[in-house]
Amino acid sequence: GAVVSQHPSWVICKSGTSVKIECRSLDFQATTMFWYRQFPKQSLMLMATSNEGSKATYEQGVEKDKFLINHASLTLSTLTVTSAHPEDSSFYICSASAREGDLNEQYFGPGTRLTVT
Amino acid sequence: AQKVTQAQTEISVVEKEDVTLDCVYETRDTTYYLFWYKQPPSGELVFLIRRNSFDEQNEISGRYSWNFQKSTSSFNFTITASQVVDSAVYFCALSPYSSASKIIFGSGTRLSIRP
Repeated sequence: GAVVSQHPSWVICKSGTSVKIECRSLDFQATTMFWYRQFPKQSLMLMATSNEGSKATYEQGVEKDKFLINHASLTLSTLTVTSAHPEDSSFYICSASAREGDLNEQYFGPGTRLTVT
Repeated sequence: AQKVTQAQTEISVVEKEDVTLDCVYETRDTTYYLFWYKQPPSGELVFLIRRNSFDEQNEISGRYSWNFQKSTSSFNFTITASQVVDSAVYFCALSPYSSASKIIFGSGTRLSIRP
């Protein structure tokens, strides 16, 4: 099956610094990648959708200047949390979408746990 | 509006009991997909099932079964003879066809199976 990896799996950073999270589709080319955020004991909320070579589409309420998304190739998308604050501490999950017949199959990465101190 | 409602926040049962997790969805699309995912304590989402809106057949996979009823906009999930390893958070989700595979998750049901 299709595999999506995320790096790092967990990261601790100091308030005010930036942190980059990578999402890779290992054995397929992803036409679209999605970034979700999950606060403790809550559901996954879509942050943004990115297509290779174009600007990401952000969901309402998500600051695009704070959460920078780069989708430079069909196998790699990065999420950079700029000037991180403790309230940005969360579990970030990416997914990659590949066209299979009539359906865009979506495969999830294992997640990255971010703690901002 | 598209929405997924999982009214049961937490369920706790004793091992070997059957348990049903409820899911109600809202969408105006005639074509859509419904999912169930399991999220164990590790956090990684485990895909369980996908159903398209034109396939109302119930499905059984081992101890798991799903009941899809368009008339009530429900897609319920039953675990038969539950086991401790079934303890996790379960998410029901909806992907409207018009949204090019964007997935909308319900709030999740935390299932605890006591030995």
